[in-house]
Amino acid sequence: NAGVTQTPKFQVLKTGQSMTLQCAQDMNHEYMSWYRQDPGMGLRLIHYSVGAGITDQGEVPNGYNVSRSTTEDFPLRLLSAAPSQTSVYFCASGLRTGFEKLFFGSGTQLSVL
Amino acid sequence: LAKTTQPISMDSYEGQEVNITCSHNNIATNDYITWYQQFPSQGPRFIIQGYKTKVTNEVASLFIPADRKSSTLSLPRVSLSDTAVYYCLVTSGHGSSNTGKLIFGQGTTLQVKP
Repeated sequence: NAGVTQTPKFQVLKTGQSMTLQCAQDMNHEYMSWYRQDPGMGLRLIHYSVGAGITDQGEVPNGYNVSRSTTEDFPLRLLSAAPSQTSVYFCASGLRTGFEKLFFGSGTQLSVL
Repeated sequence: LAKTTQPISMDSYEGQEVNITCSHNNIATNDYITWYQQFPSQGPRFIIQGYKTKVTNEVASLFIPADRKSSTLSLPRVSLSDTAVYYCLVTSGHGSSNTGKLIFGQGTTLQVKP
């Protein structure tokens, strides 16, 4: 049982480039979300989804797009990367609305030069 | 959405009991209190969740007073491996407009010393 899988683990981008951070879960969880973590800032919610076809904004959604076409996958897109998006990104999943318990991936470390 | 406030950092020694308090003055009737633990370079891990009074599992205890405006995570006899960041969340149950919006905040960095 793989749980929550994030790819890639590390990525370096140039300013203005686009990329997609992948997140997949094999637990049939309805809820999935993306967080970013910066030094001394804790975890900040970017976007979340309570089911396929449903997404909503978190605390810091600007510069990021998401879609949820399947229950298993919740990709995070950076359309035009900026140095301010340098961070560690975590994907999480959970049953229903996620309020009972979240399961996290191992993170993607992104650097934007 | 209820805002949580917890200490930025705490120090302890091996073998001591550690209590981390979180305040959530605006908690709503449908809200639960959930705690997570995060080690460096890892995603957070669920520790415990409660609604009121006391909840205990193999890792920790959670104390919630009757007014539910605060909660205390208790870690018995900590070891060096308990050094981590601990997050207190207010999580909304079904029917809330904040359902799914899980805010972690900065957390409390616990340093356990030998």
